[in-house]
Amino acid sequence: DAGITQSPRYKITETGRQVTLMCHQTWSHSYMFWYRQDLGHGLRLIYYSAAADITDKGEVPDGYVVSRSKTENFPLTLESATRSQTSVYFCASSDIARTSNEKLFFGSGTQLSVL
Amino acid sequence: GDSVTQMEGPVTLSEEAFLTINCTYTATGYPSLFWYVQYPGEGLQLLLKATKADDKGSNKGFEATYRKETTSFHLEKGSVQVSDSAVYFCALPFALIWGAGTKLIIKP
Repeated sequence: DAGITQSPRYKITETGRQVTLMCHQTWSHSYMFWYRQDLGHGLRLIYYSAAADITDKGEVPDGYVVSRSKTENFPLTLESATRSQTSVYFCASSDIARTSNEKLFFGSGTQLSVL
Repeated sequence: GDSVTQMEGPVTLSEEAFLTINCTYTATGYPSLFWYVQYPGEGLQLLLKATKADDKGSNKGFEATYRKETTSFHLEKGSVQVSDSAVYFCALPFALIWGAGTKLIIKP
């Protein structure tokens, strides 16, 4: 299906384990983003990417790793999960580089619980 | 640095009431401003935007006017419906700066 998809939708893991959240978009948008959403904090940017092989830190990057070997995929890895990383994670994309349209398109989110 | 401040929620209204959700910003220059909406269990989607001073964005009965003099972008709707219950986010250009979100609850 066309659009931006995240997987898994729900994930439960244990402290110290490595977890990878997947994000895939079919529009060939240049920009992709990872946010976490927590009560009282709204959305906070973790990492973003302007193009394949170009990534940059956002507001809260510690404990996370990203890669972007292909334009359509932007996985987010928690190298050693901690309870403070329990959150809802949203991936988003934008075609601003080509269209100058600043609109973001969001996935449905991944609800991650770290026990 | 740039920032966005939204009124705290939840905001609880009865159906057909008038809605205002306040948003003020600090930023250099004159950025585009956005309102996004998040319905329960879903990702965010763009509600409306304004790209310059005095510009009015509108969509689904919602409106927001870009007020340069007060650095505000308040969201308004004349008559809310139960289906408007959601979390509303004000955001600065390219959405790297987000407000904390305002939860809106509409009671029938």
